Amino acid sequence: KAGVTQTPRYLIKTRGQQVTLSCSPISGHRSVSWYQQTPGQGLQFLFEYFSETQRNKGNFPGRFSGRQFSNSRSEMNVSTLELGDSALYLCASSFTLGLAGGTGELFFGEGSRLTVL
Amino acid sequence: QKEVEQDPGPLSVPEGAIVSLNCTYSNSAFQYFMWYRQYSRKGPELLMYTYSSGNKEDGRFTAQVDKSSKYISLFIRDSQPSDSATYLCAMSVSGNTPLVFGKGTRLSVIA
Repeated sequence: KAGVTQTPRYLIKTRGQQVTLSCSPISGHRSVSWYQQTPGQGLQFLFEYFSETQRNKGNFPGRFSGRQFSNSRSEMNVSTLELGDSALYLCASSFTLGLAGGTGELFFGEGSRLTVL
Repeated sequence: QKEVEQDPGPLSVPEGAIVSLNCTYSNSAFQYFMWYRQYSRKGPELLMYTYSSGNKEDGRFTAQVDKSSKYISLFIRDSQPSDSATYLCAMSVSGNTPLVFGKGTRLSVIA
């Protein structure tokens, strides 16, 4: 069974540009969450989608947005990139919304490492 | 004060040692407690899951939750070099709220 696939794995952008990251969840999983991981702040929640609807949103500026498609694949977009947006962006999928499945398990991809110059 | 505090380490131990990893938290509403393990250049993977207080054991790993002290622990017995990774604690208020992660503790087990 294929895991969570994130593309691209690495990318370099300059300040002011925008970036789109893609996530394909495990087959059958309907919930996709996005997290930002930095050495200083650790893993911080960005947003969660379930059945194409945003169900939860973290405390990030409006430059960070996302969407989910009918096949559960998800994209996140960051506009007007800042140096502080350099991070590992992790996508995680689960069968149901949040921990409703009872196991607490989110299945993470390997991440997209964004460097902003 | 962050909701979840975790000593980033690094922590270096000899093979076979007992490892103790800890997190403290400030939000008394947390009910779901997890430990994730993250190898270098990989995404986190769930190691242990506990609901509310108590202990849970799985092989060499034991998770403890003390809600009265707002303190959770992960113990690793007979540590192996393959246990070298970053260990992240994570918590949630309810089944439908996002996980709040600690910053992670980097562990090295030396053969």
